[in-house]
Formats: sequence, structure tokens, C-alpha cells
Amino acid sequence: RKEVEQDPGPFNVPEGATVAFNCTYSNSASQSFFWYRQDCRKEPKLLMSVYSSGNEDGRFTAQLNRASQYISLLIRDSKLSDSATYLCVVNKARGSTLGRLYFGRGTQLTVWP
Amino acid sequence: GAGVSQSPSNKVTEKGKDVELRCDPISGHTALYWYRQSLGQGLEFLIYFQGNSAPDKSGLPSDRFSAERTGGSVSTLTIQRTQQEDSAVYLCASSFQTGGLTDTQYFGPGTRLTVL
Repeated sequence: RKEVEQDPGPFNVPEGATVAFNCTYSNSASQSFFWYRQDCRKEPKLLMSVYSSGNEDGRFTAQLNRASQYISLLIRDSKLSDSATYLCVVNKARGSTLGRLYFGRGTQLTVWP
Repeated sequence: GAGVSQSPSNKVTEKGKDVELRCDPISGHTALYWYRQSLGQGLEFLIYFQGNSAPDKSGLPSDRFSAERTGGSVSTLTIQRTQQEDSAVYLCASSFQTGGLTDTQYFGPGTRLTVL
């Protein structure tokens, strides 16, 4: 089983739509969670960290459900510039190599006008 | 400030040749990572350096791959006797690391390797 599983999509939505991505992780001891964004032929960049209580950054909302080992990202009022691949990222905590992050394969989003 | 830099940005080589890829992490970052990404695929972890600890080499696909990190800063990924399946973008990332938990990873622009 992979450490991080994501629906690869693609998701194709019109401008202004709300879209949600989900991700599951296998290690219940994971402590750090992130969403990264990768534009076509570019390097990944951090979009936001995911905190236990959930957190919001403008149009983006991230949620964490530890009991279900599930992370989500909600994008409201989608913009054309949101078109990218969204990577779910977790760390594997105590008992293994600390600091190493595990990346999902990404969910592709295309926002059309 | 300066981000992670990688060189060369593109490398075309012939099958069987050796290549060296370089990564300059952000100054002060103690952790350095190498990944590779084939066209349309996710990130594949290769190797991870943290301070003076032994590197985590568990992602290296074969003994043709090796990496060094000199002086806790610059890293070189070497691929010997390159094969066509080695063609990919090789990404380097660095981060602070405190308390055993990883802070944000900052990626370099990558080296696009093509093996003919």
C-alpha cells in the first residue's frame, strides 16, 4: 500500500466553481501534513500546511481527519490560475527516518473560462 | 534570498555515460533531498541527507546511483552508465529540520536529463 493515495483526476471545473480534493495516508503516526502545488514543467511549491484544527488561507481550506487518516483541500471561487497539480504530502514520524516526506502522485486540476 | 539552485538545467547524454547533477541548497538548511520525476508521473524519492547523520538511501533505484553532500551544503547526484530509463527531471529540495519534524521543503528548478 502506498504511503499517500490521491485521486489523480483530472478535475475540470469552470471558473468560480468550488472543488475538493481528498487524500488518505497509511501511517497513523504521521504528524506533519501539507498541500503542495506543481505547475506544468515546474517544481513543486508549498501551498499550505494542514493543521489538526483545519486552516484556511483565502480561497483555500485544508482539513485533517486523524481518525480516518484523511486530508482534504477545498478551493472556492476557482480561478484560471488555480490550474495545476495538487500534491498531498505527509511525514512518517517516530520509528522511521525522521524528516522524510511522502508525496502523493497528485491530483490534476484544470479550470476553464 | 537565494533559493535552491541546480545545475545543469538540461543534460543530454548518451547511454552508458556517467553524469553528475549538482544541487546548492538554501543556506542554513540542514536537510537535503533528491527526487526524480518522469513525464506525467509523481515524485520518486531517491535520497535524503540530514546534518551529519547517515543518509537515507532507500530510494536509490540501483547501485548506479550515488550521492554525496560535502560540508553539509552542496550535493552531487551521480548516475553511472546511464540508461534510457534514467531520463527524467531530477529535483533537489532543502529544508530546516527542528525537533525531528520537517519544515517546508523548497525545491530547485530541476535538471532535465535525457539519455539517448
